[in-house]
Amino acid sequence: AQTVTQSQPEMSVQEAETVTLSCTYDTSESDYYLFWYKQPPSRQMILVIRQEAYKQQNATENRFSVNFQKAAKSFSLKISDSQLGDAAMYFCAYSGGGADGLTFGKGTHLIIQP
Amino acid sequence: AAGVIQSPRHLIKEKRETATLKCYPIPRHDTVYWYQQGPGQDPQFLISFYEKMQSDKGSIPDRFSAQQFSDYHSELNMSSLELGDSALYFCASSSGLAAYNEQFFGPGTRLTVL
Repeated sequence: AQTVTQSQPEMSVQEAETVTLSCTYDTSESDYYLFWYKQPPSRQMILVIRQEAYKQQNATENRFSVNFQKAAKSFSLKISDSQLGDAAMYFCAYSGGGADGLTFGKGTHLIIQP
Repeated sequence: AAGVIQSPRHLIKEKRETATLKCYPIPRHDTVYWYQQGPGQDPQFLISFYEKMQSDKGSIPDRFSAQQFSDYHSELNMSSLELGDSALYFCASSSGLAAYNEQFFGPGTRLTVL
């Protein structure tokens, strides 16, 4: 079974600075998909960014980018120019694709200091 | 744009009662997923359906059952409710069985078992 590990229960960063959230995973598959989801206090699950394992290029979405290291099974999220609205729980997730369910990590609570 | 609709948004039940949660996917989405998120926990995948057939199964208790109907909406039936079933239940939907399908999450149903 696949597992996803987020070793940082909580992170704090000053507004406008950069923060990196860590995620490692374990799988025996060669093709899979990785995601970062944001869950603000409203509890809505919002997709931040995704990465296809067969793509070597790291995904970027505006201020959000990932560092995907397939051999190390590492998938970290970098948030640049942090904003107050970025404060939330961030979950790393794995999927084998198709209609497979997502396997989530335990989450990292991100605090933005004004 | 239309989003995933879940009803009811809040539900209070007594122990040993039954509950039915409903999910209406985004129009033209044919795949539905159910997740359970306990307090302070990460979402746990329960079950998924593609074209009205069960596709993937996670940690769904035997007391729970689900199905997807001809109009693609889905219902999660929960019987003999226990205190530990109190959680936020998410439904997500996606389109097709392509290698990657983004799962769009609904707002969730908050179930409280007393």
